[in-house]
Amino acid sequence: DAGVIQSPRHEVTEMGQEVTLRCKPISGHDYLFWYRQTMMRGLELLIYFNNNVPIDDSGMPEDRFSAKMPNASFSTLKIQPSEPRDSAVYFCASSVGANVLTFGAGSRLTVL
Amino acid sequence: QQQVKQSPQSLIVQKGGISIINCAYENTAFDYFPWYQQFPGKGPALLIAIRPDVSEKKEGRFTISFNKSAKQFSLHIMDSQPGDSATYFCAASRGGTSYGKLTFGQGTILTVHP
Repeated sequence: DAGVIQSPRHEVTEMGQEVTLRCKPISGHDYLFWYRQTMMRGLELLIYFNNNVPIDDSGMPEDRFSAKMPNASFSTLKIQPSEPRDSAVYFCASSVGANVLTFGAGSRLTVL
Repeated sequence: QQQVKQSPQSLIVQKGGISIINCAYENTAFDYFPWYQQFPGKGPALLIAIRPDVSEKKEGRFTISFNKSAKQFSLHIMDSQPGDSATYFCAASRGGTSYGKLTFGQGTILTVHP
């Protein structure tokens, strides 16, 4: 199994631009999570899905952030417009039954 | 009430020594306590986890000790090796469908010297 696949691995953009991060979960996993890691705030949950349905988006920082899961094998996290404080590593993770999360390698976002 | 406090921030141990990382939580509804290991440029990976019905769990050189009354849990790495050098995160979550809704500690950077 290739694990959780995230793209891009690195993204550098300018303030105000739209950013789209992508995730392919492990086949057969029914839960998908988006986490963000920063030096100041550590690892924090943004949103998670069960069977493609958003369950809890209370961690999404503001309306500039949105996430979708159109099917069981694909999810996106979009930031529009991006700001320098959004610079972070964004991780996608998947699991069976919301247990034993398998994380992807992350997408490092830098907003100038 | 959602915080998980982790200490120390960094730890240096000699090869063969014991590494100990501590965590404390506030929310008594938490009932799943995993530890994750993260290498530079990689995502966190589950190392070992415990539920509060047991006070200790051991897997190889890694042991979790859990003190429910004190709301504390710790990771012990026996016979620490240079390959154990990584960042370690404790975490906690509630049960049921919320197992993956993890609250993480701030992390401990472990360096094991040869």
